[in-house]
Amino acid sequence: AQKVTQAQTEISVVEKEDVTLDCVYETRDTTYYLFWYKQPPSGELVFLIRRNSFDEQNEISGRYSWNFQKSTSSFNFTITASQVVDSAVYFCALSELRVNQAGTALIFGKGTTLSVSS
Amino acid sequence: DVKVTQSSRYLVKRTGEKVFLECVQDMDHENMFWYRQDPGLGLRLIYFSYDVKMKEKGDIPEGYSVSREKKERFSLILESASTNQTSMYLCASSVWDREDTEAFFGQGTRLTVV
Repeated sequence: AQKVTQAQTEISVVEKEDVTLDCVYETRDTTYYLFWYKQPPSGELVFLIRRNSFDEQNEISGRYSWNFQKSTSSFNFTITASQVVDSAVYFCALSELRVNQAGTALIFGKGTTLSVSS
Repeated sequence: DVKVTQSSRYLVKRTGEKVFLECVQDMDHENMFWYRQDPGLGLRLIYFSYDVKMKEKGDIPEGYSVSREKKERFSLILESASTNQTSMYLCASSVWDREDTEAFFGQGTRLTVV
């Protein structure tokens, strides 16, 4: 069965520190998608990135970067020079392509709460 | 702008009541989902639907049922609300098997059962 593990429950850093959020996943399928979502204190879930299982290229978007390694089943998220506005709960998720059932479902990790202080 | 709208932001219901949580999306998405979010447990999938009248149980379907009579609307039903169903409920929709697939979430319904 598919599973997403975010071992870090809470992380606290001081502004301008770099921080990495870990995500380890389990799936039997060769085709799957990985996601990161941010949930700020206001509560809405904000999509950050999607990566499919055939694309192991790392991605950088501003202060955010993602490291996808199939060999270790990990999809880690790094925030460089953290800011107070980065304080939020971050979720990693896995979606499998279910051809027979003509649909997919997102399975989430338990989330990592990041607190950035000034 | 894509939109997933949940009918209520906050609800307070009594134990034993039948509760309906409604979700509407305007993106013509095939997939729709209901999750509940509890502290320390993350988001857990209750049910999902990949087409009209089609549904599949998620990880925690007990005490819940769903209805999808139209493509844009997915309802979560608590047949007899209990206090352990006090939670944040999140609805989402997505396209499937396309390169640009992602799930779009509603603003959430915080349900309190007293």
